[in-house]
Amino acid sequence: AQTVTQSQPEMSVQEAETVTLSCTYDTSESDYYLFWYKQPPSRQMILVIRQEAYKQQNATENRFSVNFQKAAKSFSLKISDSQLGDAAMYFCAYRSASGTSYGKLTFGQGTILTVHP
Amino acid sequence: NAGVTQTPKFQVLKTGQSMTLQCAQDMNHNSMYWYRQDPGMGLRLIYYSASEGTTDKGEVPNGYNVSRLNKREFSLRLESAAPSQTSVYFCASSAFRTGGGQTQYFGPGTRLTVL
Repeated sequence: AQTVTQSQPEMSVQEAETVTLSCTYDTSESDYYLFWYKQPPSRQMILVIRQEAYKQQNATENRFSVNFQKAAKSFSLKISDSQLGDAAMYFCAYRSASGTSYGKLTFGQGTILTVHP
Repeated sequence: NAGVTQTPKFQVLKTGQSMTLQCAQDMNHNSMYWYRQDPGMGLRLIYYSASEGTTDKGEVPNGYNVSRLNKREFSLRLESAAPSQTSVYFCASSAFRTGGGQTQYFGPGTRLTVL
């Protein structure tokens, strides 16, 4: 079974600065997808960014980018020019692309991000 | 376009009571999912439905049943609620696409407390 680990229960950043959230995962599969979801106090789960394992290029979405290291099974999220609205719980998630685990998301424990003005 | 909707938003039950959480999506998605979120544990999959007419167990199915009523609706039932089922429940849906890369879209969640 796949596991996802977020080793930072809490992180903080000053507004306009850059912060990196860590995520590692364990899998024996070669084909899979990785996601970062944001959960603000409203509890709504919002997709931030996704990465296909077969792509070497790191995904970017505006101020959000990832550092995907497939051999190291690492998938970190970098938030540039942090804004107060970025304050939330962030979840890393893994999704198999094949087999009996097809389509199911496995989540990490989450990282609470605080943004200081 | 409402996306994924869940009812109710909050619920308090007594031990042994039953209830059904409702979920509906208007995105014409084939696959639907139920997760629970407990403090410090992220979201865990309870049940999922890859397509209309099929359901499968996830990581934590004990104490729950599901019904895929039609393509739009996927309900979660607690037959005899227990305090261990106190949690926030999320429904999600995704389109079917080969390779498993389809994004899951989440509802707003239901906060359930079992006394």
